[in-house]
Amino acid sequence: GQQVMQIPQYQHVQEGEDFTTYCNSSTTLSNIQWYKQRPGGHPVFLIQLVKSGEVKKQKRLTFQFGEAKKNSSLHITATQTTDVGTYFCGASGGSYIPTFGRGTSLIVHP
Amino acid sequence: NAGVTQTPKFRILKIGQSMTLQCAQDMNHNYMYWYRQDPGMGLKLIYYSVGAGITDKGEVPNGYNVSRSTTEDFPLRLELAAPSQTSVYFCASRGGGFSGNTIYFGEGSWLTVV
Repeated sequence: GQQVMQIPQYQHVQEGEDFTTYCNSSTTLSNIQWYKQRPGGHPVFLIQLVKSGEVKKQKRLTFQFGEAKKNSSLHITATQTTDVGTYFCGASGGSYIPTFGRGTSLIVHP
Repeated sequence: NAGVTQTPKFRILKIGQSMTLQCAQDMNHNYMYWYRQDPGMGLKLIYYSVGAGITDKGEVPNGYNVSRSTTEDFPLRLELAAPSQTSVYFCASRGGGFSGNTIYFGEGSWLTVV
């Protein structure tokens, strides 16, 4: 099945700094989803990207899907302590089995 | 809608004991999944089901069993618990169609085997 690699594994930032996590696949993806998991919580759906080159924004979060539909990124502008958690990308189009990246844990220092 | 409901939330098992983690969803989703998540690691698929009466192994099925007698319920059975099964377990579901790619997760079951 398809594999999704996610980097970095951890990211420490000072509050107010920007943050980016990247997902890469060796195969073309039908779509990609992003999830956030707060410490001690469960993954919660954030957004889905479907179109080549698609860019979507949710307040300070910007999601991009690459032109070749093999990579995606999540960028957070001016991080806040409420952004702390692990961000996962997931791809499930065209298959019964969702594939998740390992996740990037964001630690925000006040 | 309650979404995906898992029970119990926390459980301590002794080595060799067995137990069942319950999972139910009220969204009429065909696809259901069980994942385990070890500290600092991603989600590893244990078993999945594409509909009532149909189940299949995921990446790490050893030591577990599942059944899917109804669309709503997808229990996970741990037989002869081992310390390696200490983990957080998430049940998840998804529907079909365009919006069906969204995975809905339960709140998790924290299991410790001692």
